[in-house]
Amino acid sequence: QQQVKQSPQSLIVQKGGISIINCAYENTAFDYFPWYQQFPGKGPALLIAIRPDVSEKKEGRFTISFNKSAKQFSLHIMDSQPGDSATYFCAASRGSGGSNYKLTFGKGTLLTVNP
Amino acid sequence: DSGVTQTPKHLITATGQRVTLRCSPRSGDLSVYWYQQSLDQGLQFLIQYYNGEERAKGNILERFSAQQFPDLHSELNLSSLELGDSALYFCASSNSGPQYFGPGTRLTVL
Repeated sequence: QQQVKQSPQSLIVQKGGISIINCAYENTAFDYFPWYQQFPGKGPALLIAIRPDVSEKKEGRFTISFNKSAKQFSLHIMDSQPGDSATYFCAASRGSGGSNYKLTFGKGTLLTVNP
Repeated sequence: DSGVTQTPKHLITATGQRVTLRCSPRSGDLSVYWYQQSLDQGLQFLIQYYNGEERAKGNILERFSAQQFPDLHSELNLSSLELGDSALYFCASSNSGPQYFGPGTRLTVL
């Protein structure tokens, strides 16, 4: 049972464009939703995270939008740059702030930003 | 640099063998999590330790075991290795907050 579904599997965007990655979850007990960025040969790095009491969170060029009723959340990367080319994973967890609970990951999206 | 260290970076071994992967969490973090990353299964949670005690178990095979020592470092032991165990193994640590991942150990079983 895949508890977090992520789409698309891959995404190609031109430099300066907007990259959008979507995730949907099933378990209503989830209340912490982080996004991780992974470069080849590296471990996943925390990018941005949101809790369900807010509908949007922005950090620099990265924005998470959250729709609790639809059980969906998405990552928007504004002004995408070639350096953003990486694999992005959405995740979900119980425990506000991811406090001591396992993460359930989506399958990942390979983002390529063309110069 | 997340502050989480893992050794070794690469491990090549044969089927039927046993290996040990080591993880040192960020200073002050009490929780250590182990995840397996493979092309077909993605990132899957294996097991969590909190301050030396097992806290949660995920999709961890009976051939795999882990422990967390008094100095909070953790080891993941993989035995009777099969070709399908070839994967990246990550540990992450946290202290009532976000999980920070180490650089991983790439295990290749031949």
